[in-house]
Amino acid sequence: EPEVTQTPSHQVTQMGQEVILRCVPISNHLYFYWYRQILGQKVEFLVSFYNNEISEKSEIFDDQFSVERPDGSNFTLKIRSTKLEDSAMYFCASRVAGSNYGYTFGSGTRLTVV
Amino acid sequence: AQSVTQLGSHVSVSEGALVLLRCNYSSSVPPYLFWYVQYPNQGLQLLLKYTSAATLVKGINGFEAEFKKSETSFHLTKPSAHMSDAAEYFCAVSLSQAGTALIFGKGTTLSVSS
Repeated sequence: EPEVTQTPSHQVTQMGQEVILRCVPISNHLYFYWYRQILGQKVEFLVSFYNNEISEKSEIFDDQFSVERPDGSNFTLKIRSTKLEDSAMYFCASRVAGSNYGYTFGSGTRLTVV
Repeated sequence: AQSVTQLGSHVSVSEGALVLLRCNYSSSVPPYLFWYVQYPNQGLQLLLKYTSAATLVKGINGFEAEFKKSETSFHLTKPSAHMSDAAEYFCAVSLSQAGTALIFGKGTTLSVSS
């Protein structure tokens, strides 16, 4: 069964550093998403991406964050100047065109900012 | 804007007992509704989804959910709990349009005792 692949599974970074989280969505999917889950809290929507541009973003997704689909297969989330409160599990998701289909999530990247 | 409320952050049942996890939604337009399960240190796995077809939806692992518009509910049930059902369960809602973001509830932790 096709999977959404996320790398790395765990990343530790120092406060103030930039990190890039990588995702390979399912190949025929057209909509891409990033979510985060702070430990013990609910899953929160960050951003959606379609046709090479952001289609929707939440209040969390401020200027510190950016997304890119650099090569037609990878979908990245960049966090500039990380803060302690950015520590969370970050999930990538994708879905095929057509609104009846569910979202497929990756296994997540656990980001720890120290 | 749409939202999801999961009643009960923690539900405990005995093995073999009925599982009932409650979810109520708020949406200004007909919603699509989803249940996801998260096992410890893993990603989000789709259990089932409602996308305006049959109101009783059957999912994986013996779970099912019923969409009740009059009650704005989408409760998840399983007739007989198994130890392997112990996990975090998230109800989520999206608009019935392609590409819109999933909005998650806070989650319910299901514990199953022998």
